[in-house]
Amino acid sequence: SQTIHQWPATLVQPVGSPLSLECTVEGTSNPNLYWYRQAAGRGLQLLFYSVGIGQISSEVPQNLSASRPQDRQFILSSKKLLLSDSGFYLCAWSVQVGNTIYFGEGSWLTVV
Amino acid sequence: AQSVSQHNHHVILSEAASLELGCNYSYGGTVNLFWYVQYPGQHLQLLLKYFSGDPLVKGIKGFEAEFIKSKFSFNLRKPSVQWSDTAEYFCAAKLTGKLIFGQGTTLQVKP
Repeated sequence: SQTIHQWPATLVQPVGSPLSLECTVEGTSNPNLYWYRQAAGRGLQLLFYSVGIGQISSEVPQNLSASRPQDRQFILSSKKLLLSDSGFYLCAWSVQVGNTIYFGEGSWLTVV
Repeated sequence: AQSVSQHNHHVILSEAASLELGCNYSYGGTVNLFWYVQYPGQHLQLLLKYFSGDPLVKGIKGFEAEFIKSKFSFNLRKPSVQWSDTAEYFCAAKLTGKLIFGQGTTLQVKP
């Protein structure tokens, strides 16, 4: 069966520090991968999605970036965090030709 | 721009009351529709989905949703809620390959 893991689960970082959230999927090949952010009162916002290694689409302008160095690995990064980057970040995957999306456990980021 | 809107941000109901959460999307083409639920302290999980066919879709735990194409709507319903239905509910639409979520509705059911 397929599983998705992301880490760390919680993170407290000072403003201006770097960020790296990692996500891996097991049990499937060539998945679509996604990073979402859930900010208080604003629902789920799609940040990035990837249909293959090295292929990243950005949905919103921001100081975050994403990379997919391997087929089942998706990384969310920032060189310098802002206070507004605080939120709950969710990695997710779906099969290429399917539609249901499956979520990871989420990562709470607090920028102080 | 393509978007998904949920009308109610916070709903408080008593047990056994009926529930209807509104969801509208802005896209005129083929769309796949979903409702996700996030119980306190748990992952987001799929409640139900609509791809094609019967516009009345039944999901887990007694939930159902009706797709009304003319109204661009996909409202979630449950005839009698339980305390365990307390959660956050997200409507989502797959539009041109991307899954777009609504703002979410927090449902609080009082025992």
